[in-house]
Amino acid sequence: GAVVSQHPSRVICKSGTSVKIECRSLDFQATTMFWYRQFPKQSLMLMATSNEGSKATYEQGVEKDKFLINHASLTLSTLTVTSAHPEDSSFYICSAEPDRGRETQYFGPGTRLLVL
Amino acid sequence: SQQGEEDPQALSIQEGENATMNCSYKTSINNLQWYRQNSGRGLVHLILIRSNEREKHSGRLRVTLDTSKKSSSLLITASRAADTASYFCAPFNQAGTALIFGKGTTLSVSS
Repeated sequence: GAVVSQHPSRVICKSGTSVKIECRSLDFQATTMFWYRQFPKQSLMLMATSNEGSKATYEQGVEKDKFLINHASLTLSTLTVTSAHPEDSSFYICSAEPDRGRETQYFGPGTRLLVL
Repeated sequence: SQQGEEDPQALSIQEGENATMNCSYKTSINNLQWYRQNSGRGLVHLILIRSNEREKHSGRLRVTLDTSKKSSSLLITASRAADTASYFCAPFNQAGTALIFGKGTTLSVSS
């Protein structure tokens, strides 16, 4: 089956630093990937849609300068949380839509971010 | 994209019992997908049912779709403790659009 990986799986950082999270589709190409965040016991909230070769589309209320998204290849999208603060602590999950058979999406295992 | 709404929000059963959870949505779809999320993990794709299908099976899972009522149900038969997780439905309209999730159904299966 289609596999999506995320790296790192968990990260602890100091307030004010930047953290980069990678999302890779391992066995398929994905022009389109999505980034979500999830707070404890809540649902996934869509943050942005990432398209290879173009700017990401951000959901309302998501700061594009705070959450930088780069989709540099058909198998890799990165989310950088800039100048992280404790309120950015969350579970970040990506998903990828296969270019072939574009009727479903596959999710990564998530990245747990803790900002101290 | 549209959001699916799962019902009930929480369900507690004993091992061996069947678990049924429901999903409602608002507008037309191409397909509807069910995902499972174990605590602290990513989402696992369980099953996809297309708009022209009424029922689909995969192992112990049975999914139905009623497009006239804009609803779907997921039945897990002979549940196991390992089925304990949150379950989400996701109506899918168009390629390139994100799946939007509701609050899900939290299933607890006790042994």
